[in-house]
Amino acid sequence: GAGVSQTPSNKVTEKGKYVELRCDPISGHTALYWYRQSLGQGPEFLIYFQGTGAADDSGLPNDRFFAVRPEGSVSTLKIQRTERGDSAVYLCASSPTRTSGYNNEQFFGPGTRLTVL
Amino acid sequence: DQQVKQNSPSLSVQEGRISILNCDYTNSMFDYFLWYKKYPAEGPTFLISISSIKDKNEDGRFTVFLNKSAKHLSLHIVPSQPGDSAVYFCAANNYGQNFVFGPGTRLSVLP
Repeated sequence: GAGVSQTPSNKVTEKGKYVELRCDPISGHTALYWYRQSLGQGPEFLIYFQGTGAADDSGLPNDRFFAVRPEGSVSTLKIQRTERGDSAVYLCASSPTRTSGYNNEQFFGPGTRLTVL
Repeated sequence: DQQVKQNSPSLSVQEGRISILNCDYTNSMFDYFLWYKKYPAEGPTFLISISSIKDKNEDGRFTVFLNKSAKHLSLHIVPSQPGDSAVYFCAANNYGQNFVFGPGTRLSVLP
């Protein structure tokens, strides 16, 4: 079946603008994660959804960042008043469940490269 | 404060030889570890994992070794192939918590 997809693949915006990044997880996966990867760094956790609710949003850097998953499938990461420091690749991942408490294998999308000018 | 460290940003290995990628961690609460591989313009893909109750896990050409007392793990690839050229991320977590990723090591396997 189809893997995790993310749109757009690239987004260029100006400082101060609002952006939305979309993630389509693998069908049936209840857990969804957002990460941010800056140049030369590994993925950095932002937020985790179990179903429709944000189970852990401790990684969101500030209140300009917000994410939703209203129907428990597609998720949107929203960034208000973008800053140049927000430039990064935003990765989405999904997994079937999180029953054990361990984050078992997560399936990543290709990411959205955000550039804030 | 990096909890997961990969101190070698890059590594070059001849095809057919062994590749050894290293990872160190500082949080003694971590008890589950994974390696992900990433090609350019693609998301990371899961490679192999190990629980802290083990010290070795093997899957084909890939073996992960865990030394809990040293807070160190390593990924061995034998024999290395050109298609293994990618960025390798080490990740760790403990029960109920989220993954923490290292900064990655870029492996180049030379034909």
